[in-house]
Amino acid sequence: DVKVTQSSRYLVKRTGEKVFLECVQDMDHENMFWYRQDPGLGLRLIYFSYDVKMKEKGDIPEGYSVSREKKERFSLILESASTNQTSMYLCASSPHRNEKLFFGSGTQLSVL
Amino acid sequence: AQKITQTQPGMFVQEKEAVTLDCTYDTSDPSYGLFWYKQPSSGEMIFLIYQGSYDQQNATEGRYSLNFQKARKSANLVISASQLGDSAMYFCAMREGGYGGATNKLIFGTGTLLAVQP
Repeated sequence: DVKVTQSSRYLVKRTGEKVFLECVQDMDHENMFWYRQDPGLGLRLIYFSYDVKMKEKGDIPEGYSVSREKKERFSLILESASTNQTSMYLCASSPHRNEKLFFGSGTQLSVL
Repeated sequence: AQKITQTQPGMFVQEKEAVTLDCTYDTSDPSYGLFWYKQPSSGEMIFLIYQGSYDQQNATEGRYSLNFQKARKSANLVISASQLGDSAMYFCAMREGGYGGATNKLIFGTGTLLAVQP
């Protein structure tokens, strides 16, 4: 089975801190994605990557950056965390031509 | 712009009954894919069912079926014989771009919270 692993299930940070959310997949998938999930808003795409060192902005990239130095790892970076970035963050991956996304368990980030 | 709409924030259903979760979509691309995901309280997104825009028949996966009405741009999920374990948030999603597109980027609706009552 495909496994997408997010390093932390819960994370609490202070405003202004630099925050790294890590995601690793073990199935050699080309595509990787970061979404945030908020009540009443569903899932919104922050960034995605379709190859190593490649990245594309999603619908809400402001305040975030990403890094993909290795195929299996896709990191989401909050350069200076703010309270409005308190949210559930979901990482996903998919093969190049497969339709289905595989998701991690999510990281609930609280910025205080 | 492509959009997914789920108009039911929450629903109740009695155990063993069938339930329909509504989803409408908007796209100008003739080729697209529609998905349903389940998110239990544990948080992980679980893929349920997929329907391609050119598929002639409605998709089915066990107790899940997708009622695809292309002219109405609707893709409702039908769960037959509801079980207590079906209690979860359900998301409808659409893939942007043509078939086999490189990115497989999905856009999601706001979700429907289903509660199955004994």
